[in-house]
Amino acid sequence: DADVTQTPRNRITKTGKRIMLECSQTKGHDRMYWYRQDPGLGLRLIYYSFDVKDINKGEISDGYSVSRQAQAKFSLSLESAIPNQTALYFCATSDNRGKQPQHFGDGTRLSIL
Amino acid sequence: AQKITQTQPGMFVQEKEAVTLDCTYDTSDQSYGLFWYKQPSSGEMIFLIYQGSYDEQNATEGRYSLNFQKARKSANLVISASQLGDSAMYFCAMREDYSNYQLIWGAGTKLIIKP
Repeated sequence: DADVTQTPRNRITKTGKRIMLECSQTKGHDRMYWYRQDPGLGLRLIYYSFDVKDINKGEISDGYSVSRQAQAKFSLSLESAIPNQTALYFCATSDNRGKQPQHFGDGTRLSIL
Repeated sequence: AQKITQTQPGMFVQEKEAVTLDCTYDTSDQSYGLFWYKQPSSGEMIFLIYQGSYDEQNATEGRYSLNFQKARKSANLVISASQLGDSAMYFCAMREDYSNYQLIWGAGTKLIIKP
């Protein structure tokens, strides 16, 4: 089983719909992150959470919200999806030691028509 | 200003040759870390190698090594004896230790290994 699991893996939906992307991890990490990736760009941070009670906005949080339901679960919501939110979305985790890398889920390909 | 710059959008390399992927960074922090990730066409992000700003030796992991030149603010990834399976996007990322440990990402280099 994957250490960081994202669901769904693919989603096609219409403008204006509410969408939730879910992430769960078995690595026991405190820190979790949501990124989006657009063609020709690196990853951009949407939100991050250092523990269940700590949620922070990243570089591009407008139009998104998150919920940290438990240490192992971090979900991303698009309240009213728009076409320019079409992207590949990644969840990542890390422990609280700075040298350790972030571990990524396999990504969710989201298309908004 | 770009904090992480990868100047090679794409590269073609002959199989079995060594390849260097460039990464330059910009930070005023004294404590930071540099990471390289690989993204194959299947889309997952795979961690390759890490270099800390205070590490005296260049990092190595199997066929991967990091050519860290602190004064030049460069952290180039070297892949020795390239293989067809090395074809992928490669991303350089930096963590500044006074900025909540967020990673800042470069735009990536697409590497294609020719048989």
